[in-house]
Amino acid sequence: ETGVTQTPRHLVMGMTNKKSLKCEQHLGHNAMYWYKQSAKKPLELMFVYNFKEQTENNSVPSRFSPECPNSSHLFLHLHTLQPEDSALYLCASSQDREGSGRSGNTIYFGEGSWLTVV
Amino acid sequence: AQSVSQHNHHVILSEAASLELGCNYSYGGTVNLFWYVQYPGQHLQLLLKYFSGDPLVKGIKGFEAEFIKSKFSFNLRKPSVQWSDTAEYFCAVNGRRALTFGSGTRLQVQP
Repeated sequence: ETGVTQTPRHLVMGMTNKKSLKCEQHLGHNAMYWYKQSAKKPLELMFVYNFKEQTENNSVPSRFSPECPNSSHLFLHLHTLQPEDSALYLCASSQDREGSGRSGNTIYFGEGSWLTVV
Repeated sequence: AQSVSQHNHHVILSEAASLELGCNYSYGGTVNLFWYVQYPGQHLQLLLKYFSGDPLVKGIKGFEAEFIKSKFSFNLRKPSVQWSDTAEYFCAVNGRRALTFGSGTRLQVQP
């Protein structure tokens, strides 16, 4: 149990479907992240939210649409995905946004949502 | 740009062998450095981290890493591996941007 919960754990969707991934953190953190983990590729940062505001979009296609209604919840809305989007999608949180070189700011990851696009 | 390079993609060792996994990063400013581990079927877990101070950092399960600023390196070491260390290991850095990961090293420890 990491304090970061992702649902569903597994999702199979067709290319014309609309689905959403959900993430909830119980750590009182202010920053949340979506990462994509594909086979044989580095973990790719997709989006960063800090205090509910999106601070980074790492050139992610518009078929992925994040939503952060509050500091504890993060969604990833999926629409008209491609088979190559099949991957493990990881949600993470930290006290506040990483990247400022600050000390003491560690990212905690959820267990991920396995997505298969058929 | 901020990036991380892990040189070994797949490492196979026998139990009790010593381990060293390479990690190099590129970023000119102040960085925080991390090693994460992902055991089969489990989530990413923090193994150790370096923010400042002593460049030799000790983490959980007997792992340690040394930050060598002049070489932009943060190699992970363990003197004697166990079968239970079989996992994938990720080096990560954050400087100006949010955490950036290397491609990972799959460690397989044979009994």
